[in-house]
Amino acid sequence: DVKVTQSSRYLVKRTGEKVFLECVQDMDHENMFWYRQDPGLGLRLIYFSYDVKMKEKGDIPEGYSVSREKKERFSLILESASTNQTSMYLCASRIAGANTGELFFGEGSRLTVL
Amino acid sequence: QKEVEQNSGPLSVPEGAIASLNCTYSDRGSQSFFWYRQYSGKSPELIMSIYSNGDKEDGRFTAQLNKASQYVSLLIRDSQPSDSATYLCAVLNTGGFKTIFGAGTRLFVKA
Repeated sequence: DVKVTQSSRYLVKRTGEKVFLECVQDMDHENMFWYRQDPGLGLRLIYFSYDVKMKEKGDIPEGYSVSREKKERFSLILESASTNQTSMYLCASRIAGANTGELFFGEGSRLTVL
Repeated sequence: QKEVEQNSGPLSVPEGAIASLNCTYSDRGSQSFFWYRQYSGKSPELIMSIYSNGDKEDGRFTAQLNKASQYVSLLIRDSQPSDSATYLCAVLNTGGFKTIFGAGTRLFVKA
């Protein structure tokens, strides 16, 4: 069974803290993605990676960075958390080049920045 | 204009009725289209994908695609209370890397 695991379901951080969100997939997928989901705005793409050590900006990369040192792991980093980064963060993975394009999602990490 | 637009709802239908969910997209080069279902507090899961014009049926679900009109729809026949969820329309962009999501339509099926 396919599995995308996000390290923390719920986090509470203070403004200015550095935050790490970890995502691990066991499906040997090349492509991995970080989205944030906010009411009324749907899922918005922050960053994606189409292979190890590769990364591309999505639609809202400001305030975020990512790391992909191993194929199975994709980390999202908030260098200095701000209150407007309070959100649900969803990691997803996908087979490269597949016409299906199906995304497999983790359970999500709900981050609150105080 | 948003890249993928959906009516946010909520859409309320009685049990046993047909629920119709609609979506428009702006990228004319898109070739792959998806419907994800998201229950409250859960992550999205794929329920339908469609790649060519016309209808695609899978059990109680039918996806419809009209590329000329840049329109995708999802029909749910014999709606059940367990179908109550948010339905996300998603489009794989021309480059084939980015999946763009609509804001979702909340569906309530009343028993």
